[in-house]
Amino acid sequence: AQTVTQSQPEMSVQEAETVTLSCTYDTSESDYYLFWYKQPPSRQMILVIRQEAYKQQNATENRFSVNFQKAAKSFSLKISDSQLGDAAMYFCAYRSDQGAQKLVFGQGTRLTINP
Amino acid sequence: DAGVTQSPTHLIKTRGQHVTLRCSPISGHKSVSWYQQVLGQGPQFIFQYYEKEERGRGNFPDRFSARQFPNYSSELNVNALLLGDSALYLCASSLEGLSAASYEQYFGPGTRLTVT
Repeated sequence: AQTVTQSQPEMSVQEAETVTLSCTYDTSESDYYLFWYKQPPSRQMILVIRQEAYKQQNATENRFSVNFQKAAKSFSLKISDSQLGDAAMYFCAYRSDQGAQKLVFGQGTRLTINP
Repeated sequence: DAGVTQSPTHLIKTRGQHVTLRCSPISGHKSVSWYQQVLGQGPQFIFQYYEKEERGRGNFPDRFSARQFPNYSSELNVNALLLGDSALYLCASSLEGLSAASYEQYFGPGTRLTVT
């Protein structure tokens, strides 16, 4: 079974600075997808960024980018120019390319933005 | 376009009772998945339904069941509620097509269930 680990329960960053959230996963599969979701206090889980395992190029969405290291099974999220609205729980998630659309989530990292 | 909607928003039940949670997917999405999120943890997969058929089931007891209707909306049922069933229940929908983006899951706001 696949597992996802987020080793940083909490992180904080000054507004306008850059922060990196860590995620590692364990799988024996070669094809899969990785995601970062954001969950603000409103509870709505919002997709931040997606990475296909077969792509070597790291995904980027505006101020959000990932560092995908397939061999190391590492998938970190970098947030540049942090904004107050970025404060939330961030979850890393894995989805197999086969079978049910089951997302396996990590435990989450609570990100605080200091003004 | 409307996103994923869930009802009710909050629910308080007593141990042993039964509960039904409802979810309407994004228009055009044929897949619905249910997740349980206990406070302070990441969501745990419960079910996935696609075209009204169960495609996957997580490690949950038989007290949990679900179904999907012809309009692709879905219900999650939990019987004989336990205190440990208190959680945020999230529904997610996806398009499921040929592109990787079509497999992205979009979440609803969740139903907060409290069992006393």
